[in-house]
Amino acid sequence: DSGVTQTPKHLITATGQRVTLRCSPRSGDLSVYWYQQSLDQGLQFLIQYYNGEERAKGNILERFSAQQFPDLHSELNLSSLELGDSALYFCASSGGVGLGTEAFFGQGTRLTVV
Amino acid sequence: DQQVKQNSPSLSVQEGRISILNCDYTNSMFDYFLWYKKYPAEGPTFLISISSIKDKNEDGRFTVFLNKSAKHLSLHIVPSQPGDSAVYFCAASKINDYKLSFGAGTTVTVRA
Repeated sequence: DSGVTQTPKHLITATGQRVTLRCSPRSGDLSVYWYQQSLDQGLQFLIQYYNGEERAKGNILERFSAQQFPDLHSELNLSSLELGDSALYFCASSGGVGLGTEAFFGQGTRLTVV
Repeated sequence: DQQVKQNSPSLSVQEGRISILNCDYTNSMFDYFLWYKKYPAEGPTFLISISSIKDKNEDGRFTVFLNKSAKHLSLHIVPSQPGDSAVYFCAASKINDYKLSFGAGTTVTVRA
């Protein structure tokens, strides 16, 4: 158990809809990262928050947004969903701002858009 | 732009033999490298790392080698065990940067 909790584990929704994925980082970790893993693809970095502030953005679509709350949990909002958004979405956390040490990953949320 | 590449999508090895996984990177600014292991229906878990000031790091059965001039790293698993069957991701970052760049992964199957 990595200590990072993601909910829900599975999500099936229709095209055009909006969903929210939730992540609770390890106790004490200030950084939260979101990654997307599509079929046969590696892990693609989406966005990082540190202590409530956005720190870095990767290949995140404009239809997607995220935030980190004062209790340090984070939510990833995906809107106007398309079939191609079907993927595994992972959250990771680490103690500091950078990743000089390893990040700990949650089990992921499998999103299926039909 | 894939800055970290794992060109072998799969590897099959007999139990007890050595598994060698390879990873190449293009960004010369990377100075910290990690390997993650992923079982089905689970998130990636950290396995081993190496910073650019070293060329080798060993942890039990796992050894990572770094060749900075070739922008290449490899993970050796000796001896391979059935529980090592998983997807292995190579990742890289710049220390104090904010993201990891991952390769596409190599699926390792250890045959009994």
